[in-house]
Amino acid sequence: DQQVKQNSPSLSVQEGRISILNCDYTNSMFDYFLWYKKYPAEGPTFLISISSIKDKNEDGRFTVFLNKSAKHLSLHIVPSQPGDSAVYFCAASVSSGSARQLTFGSGTQLTVLP
Amino acid sequence: DTAVSQTPKYLVTQMGNDKSIKCEQNLGHDTMYWYKQDSKKFLKIMFSYNNKELIINETVPNRFSPKSPDKAHLNLHINSLELGDSAVYFCASSQEGYSPLHFGNGTRLTVT
Repeated sequence: DQQVKQNSPSLSVQEGRISILNCDYTNSMFDYFLWYKKYPAEGPTFLISISSIKDKNEDGRFTVFLNKSAKHLSLHIVPSQPGDSAVYFCAASVSSGSARQLTFGSGTQLTVLP
Repeated sequence: DTAVSQTPKYLVTQMGNDKSIKCEQNLGHDTMYWYKQDSKKFLKIMFSYNNKELIINETVPNRFSPKSPDKAHLNLHINSLELGDSAVYFCASSQEGYSPLHFGNGTRLTVT
């Protein structure tokens, strides 16, 4: 039972344009959402996060939007750069005492074309 | 000055063997985790330790045993390795609260 879904396994975008990566979740108990970026043979690198009390968080070229009623999360990258080419994972979490149990989506391979 | 480091990066071994993966973090975080990335690329939590105490223990075979000698280290021991254990294992750490996890670069385990 996938609680976090990334329905697009891949996305190609022209350099300078906007990249929009989408994520859907089913568990209404999730209260913290994150995006990670992963290059081959490396670990996931934290990109940006948002708590459930917000609907938008921005950090430079990256903006995450949260629509709680639709249980939908999206990551906007603008402008897209070739170095953004990587696999992007959406993750959602609930607090479990002092630890955070992250549930990941299956990832979206973003390719930014020069 | 790697924040979360795990060794070895690659591990090839035969069925039935016992192996360990080591993880260390120098971020001063209180909580450490082990995640497994399966063949479908899903990252799934296996264990979580907070200050050397087990907090999360998902359904994994008891052949997998985490050991935390101190809050900066969380090692993963695997006994009687099976073919299905082949995967990439990631160590991570975090502070408490709304804090992201920081991951190591993974250990690719191949069981032949």
